[in-house]
Amino acid sequence: EAGVAQSPRYKIIEKRQSVAFWCNPISGHATLYWYQQILGQGPKLLIQFQNNGVVDDSQLPKDRFSAERLKGVDSTLKIQPAKLEDSAVYLCASSPKIGGRGEKLFFGSGTQLSVL
Amino acid sequence: AQSVTQLDSQVPVFEEAPVELRCNYSSSVSVYLFWYVQYPNQGLQLLLKYLSGSTLVKGINGFEAEFNKSQTSFHLRKPSVHISDTAEYFCAVSGVTGFQKLVFGTGTRLLVSP
Repeated sequence: EAGVAQSPRYKIIEKRQSVAFWCNPISGHATLYWYQQILGQGPKLLIQFQNNGVVDDSQLPKDRFSAERLKGVDSTLKIQPAKLEDSAVYLCASSPKIGGRGEKLFFGSGTQLSVL
Repeated sequence: AQSVTQLDSQVPVFEEAPVELRCNYSSSVSVYLFWYVQYPNQGLQLLLKYLSGSTLVKGINGFEAEFNKSQTSFHLRKPSVHISDTAEYFCAVSGVTGFQKLVFGTGTRLLVSP
């Protein structure tokens, strides 16, 4: 079974530039998550999708971050414009379960973003 | 809302020695508890989980954890560690009903040396 695919693996940008991350979840998984993991901290949930609808985006900085999940499959997370404090690893995860309380989360390897 | 405290940011240990990684949580509702492991340059993998039933939970790679409701703890243990156990370990908690988000601790880096 293929895992959660993320790209790019690394990204370096200047502050105020834009960047986009892509995630392809495991086939058939209804729930998709984007987490932000800042160095020295645990992952923090940014947004959770159920199929192509948003379930929770309470911690997404909506003035600069946006995310979409096309046709309930792939997802893109965008930052525009980026700030220095956005430097982090962005993790995508998917789950076959509805509700997503953590019982069956599968994580991708992440995209490491450096904002200079 | 839930929160997790991992008391040790780094735990050095010699190979074949026992280890305990500490985790305490806070919640006003019943919880599910998890330990995830993150090897260098890899994504998070589920090590073990407590959903209900026996408070002693066994996971992969010889790890186990014990849920202690009165002390709101979920410490991770292994009786004999290997070099390959060197990784970052994250404790996580979620509520048991509805769309409850998974909240992670700050992580504990386990460093196993020969």
